[in-house]
Amino acid sequence: KQEVTQIPAALSVPEGENLVLNCSFTDSAIYNLQWFRQDPGKGLTSLLLIQSSQREQTSGRLNASLDKSSGRSTLYIAASQPGDSATYLCAVLRGGADGLTFGKGTHLIIQP
Amino acid sequence: SQTIHQWPATLVQPVGSPLSLECTVEGTSNPNLYWYRQAAGRGLQLLFYSVGIGQISSEVPQNLSASRPQDRQFILSSKKLLLSDSGFYLCAWTLYTNTGELFFGEGSRLTVL
Repeated sequence: KQEVTQIPAALSVPEGENLVLNCSFTDSAIYNLQWFRQDPGKGLTSLLLIQSSQREQTSGRLNASLDKSSGRSTLYIAASQPGDSATYLCAVLRGGADGLTFGKGTHLIIQP
Repeated sequence: SQTIHQWPATLVQPVGSPLSLECTVEGTSNPNLYWYRQAAGRGLQLLFYSVGIGQISSEVPQNLSASRPQDRQFILSSKKLLLSDSGFYLCAWTLYTNTGELFFGEGSRLTVL
């Protein structure tokens, strides 16, 4: 059974810092890995999708990497801003139609 | 472009009452559809998924059920709610034949009293 772990569970940093969120998964036979952002009381917004054959994806100040063999992904946020405050969720799709397996998320606070 | 709508956004129901949450996707055909529940401290739990009209797969035993009466409509129901059914319910869709990227609705907050 696939398990996804996110470290740290919570993080608070001053504005402007670069930061890294970590995600690990137990079964390396994945189809893709997706990073989401969730604001309080809201649905999930897809940030980046990495296919199993890819090593990284970039969108603006966000960069996600994937090392499938070691079961790890990182989300790098450059020059953090207070608007980046949210919960960040990592999820992996193993290849069937039965959806993603999610980590419990990293709750990020960027202090102005 | 594709959009997903979920309603109602907020619901407060007494124990033993029925439930109906509805989800509709626009701008695509034959999506895979999902219902997830998010409870505090437990992360997202997959409840049901559907690969086509009338085709429902359940991931966990519960007093909830799902139906897909139309290609882009997914309904979550219960005949009698329990206190433990409280939570944040999220509908999602993907075109698995494409990248498999999953897109979520805005969620429905259910409080059972």
